[in-house]
Amino acid sequence: ETGVTQSPTHLIKTRGQQVTLRCSSQSGHNTVSWYQQALGQGPQFIFQYYREEENGRGNFPPRFSGLQFPNYSSELNVNALELDDSALYLCASSLGQLFSGNTIYFGEGSWLTVV
Amino acid sequence: GDSVTQMEGPVTLSEEAFLTINCTYTATGYPSLFWYVQYPGEGLQLLLKATKADDKGSNKGFEATYRKETTSFHLEKGSVQVSDSAVYFCALSDTEYGNKLVFGAGTILRVKS
Repeated sequence: ETGVTQSPTHLIKTRGQQVTLRCSSQSGHNTVSWYQQALGQGPQFIFQYYREEENGRGNFPPRFSGLQFPNYSSELNVNALELDDSALYLCASSLGQLFSGNTIYFGEGSWLTVV
Repeated sequence: GDSVTQMEGPVTLSEEAFLTINCTYTATGYPSLFWYVQYPGEGLQLLLKATKADDKGSNKGFEATYRKETTSFHLEKGSVQVSDSAVYFCALSDTEYGNKLVFGAGTILRVKS
């Protein structure tokens, strides 16, 4: 039990649609990051929010966007869904930055299938 | 950019066998190194970590030593159990972004009774 909860756990969308995934961070954690894990691969960094501002982004197009709210919960939005967006989306939270030695805690993920 | 390479799986062992999963990394700076485990149907859990060269991370009988000279962080366990069956990911903290993790592709471990 990591204290990071994600919703929904599974969903199916049609190509071209939009999706919003939600994450509730562990209590007190002010940093949230999102990862995409395609089947059989390791997670890939999408972006990170620290105190409600994006402060790092991986190699993902602008149709992947996010928000972090004052209570440090977060959303991942994906527009114009493509078949290759089918993956497990993982949310992770931590207190501060990694280089300060803080541990990242992952949620169980949201499985997105695009048909 | 930074990268992590893990040995390919699946690795199939009998209960009580010795486990080694190889992991090597490429990084421009001095990253922290991690092993995460993913049990079937669950999210990622931190197994162990090491933050500087020659550090040894350990947890639940697993251990790994940060070897800067060989850029490696191999995972070992002396005696595996069926309950250790899972996917194991080696990861490093990216030296540009303090909170970004770079993962390997994962190694499936299957332990037979």
